[in-house]
Amino acid sequence: IVLTQSPGTLSLSPGERATLSCGASQTTDSRYLAWYQQKPGQPPRLLIYGTSTRATGIPDRFSGSGSGTDFTLTISRLEPEDFAVYYCQHYGTSPLYTFGQGTKLEIK
Amino acid sequence: QMHLQESGPGLVKPSGTLSLTCTVSGDSFTTLYWWTWVRQTPGKGLEWIAEISQTGTTYYNPSLKSRSTISMDKSKNQLSLDLKSVTAADTAVYYCAGQTFEYSYEIWGPGTLVTVSS
Repeated sequence: IVLTQSPGTLSLSPGERATLSCGASQTTDSRYLAWYQQKPGQPPRLLIYGTSTRATGIPDRFSGSGSGTDFTLTISRLEPEDFAVYYCQHYGTSPLYTFGQGTKLEIK
Repeated sequence: QMHLQESGPGLVKPSGTLSLTCTVSGDSFTTLYWWTWVRQTPGKGLEWIAEISQTGTTYYNPSLKSRSTISMDKSKNQLSLDLKSVTAADTAVYYCAGQTFEYSYEIWGPGTLVTVSS
């Protein structure tokens, strides 16, 4: 499965709502879709697994949704620390894990 | 709280073998069932390399399978990766990670940069 994220770059201001998209090339089980946040010089941080379940310690302003081939990460009100690169990830068959190319969320 | 730390040579010559170790501290390596290696390059982004279970079951990315070996040493709380016949295209930051939730990875090491160059 190929994951395509859009937009490539999203420019928003703190307090605004962010909507990031991840499109899968084939219909996928919602259990297999996860989202990560990555800041410069840091490893990816798991935000969402199983399409919509927040990982440990993730604030509730982060939410995930979707089904089939279309998945969305929403950040309800952007905090300064939310500006980063976001990746979706799929668990499949071969290869077992694939990542999208990322969406850079930058301060407008 | 579990911490992961990757270690490796930093610089590897073309055609050589890249050997990485991930040391787990703060908790037992056996606490998590699945462990993985992922690498990141500016050009290809995040790329999954291989995964191993506590029982020794392994899975590899087909694009790297012929050159990579993932292993573990429970007595040392360590995960390892060998990648042979490296080229400049293998220059990347290599991460180890442990799985707490199905089909995703929550616990990550800080990563180690490996450069392939003569």
